Amino acid sequence: GESVGLHLPTLSVQEGDNSIINCAYSNSASDYFIWYKQESGKGPQFIIDIRSNMDKRQGQRVTVLLNKTVKHLSLQIAATQPGDSAVYFCAEFSNSGYALNFGKGTSLLVTP
Amino acid sequence: NAGVTQTPKFRILKIGQSMTLQCTQDMNHNYMYWYRQDPGMGLKLIYYSVGAGITDKGEVPNGYNVSRSTTEDFPLRLELAAPSQTSVYFCASRITGWTEAFFGQGTRLTVV
Repeated sequence: GESVGLHLPTLSVQEGDNSIINCAYSNSASDYFIWYKQESGKGPQFIIDIRSNMDKRQGQRVTVLLNKTVKHLSLQIAATQPGDSAVYFCAEFSNSGYALNFGKGTSLLVTP
Repeated sequence: NAGVTQTPKFRILKIGQSMTLQCTQDMNHNYMYWYRQDPGMGLKLIYYSVGAGITDKGEVPNGYNVSRSTTEDFPLRLELAAPSQTSVYFCASRITGWTEAFFGQGTRLTVV
């Protein structure tokens, strides 16, 4: 069945370092992927998205890489800051194109 | 725009009680979603709607009901609350196409 999962449940990085959060997906028909950030006690917030016809997309301090061959996504955060501490989720659309399915998430902890 | 608004923010229910979680959006989005998030876990899709009068089941629909009589509102009904329904519930909405979903701030529900 469809599934979106993450390799690492927790990630601890020092302030100023770069962070890489990984995500594996199993639905080869997925066309659209989104990374969300969720701070404690809040709803998920959109960070960046990527379509399946792209392999890289850059935003402000964030880059998403898509490797369709191995069905793998990654989120790179440059110069990680304490405010980046949160849980990060990747999400994909289901086969129907209507439902958005989430993986388990990675908790990012930025230490001074 | 207020975005996606959920009420109440917190609620304690006794086993067997019923309640309705309210969700409204003012962005004229046609797609709306209900997710639940258990501690340390990702978001699981309960129900979704692609427009007024149209709803469909997600991954974990048992014990819940929804209706979509207007574009703005997508209430989630719990008929006979059970301890297994203790969770944080998130409502989300988006427009048609490959676009991100916007989330509300969540409703924390405890069933005792």
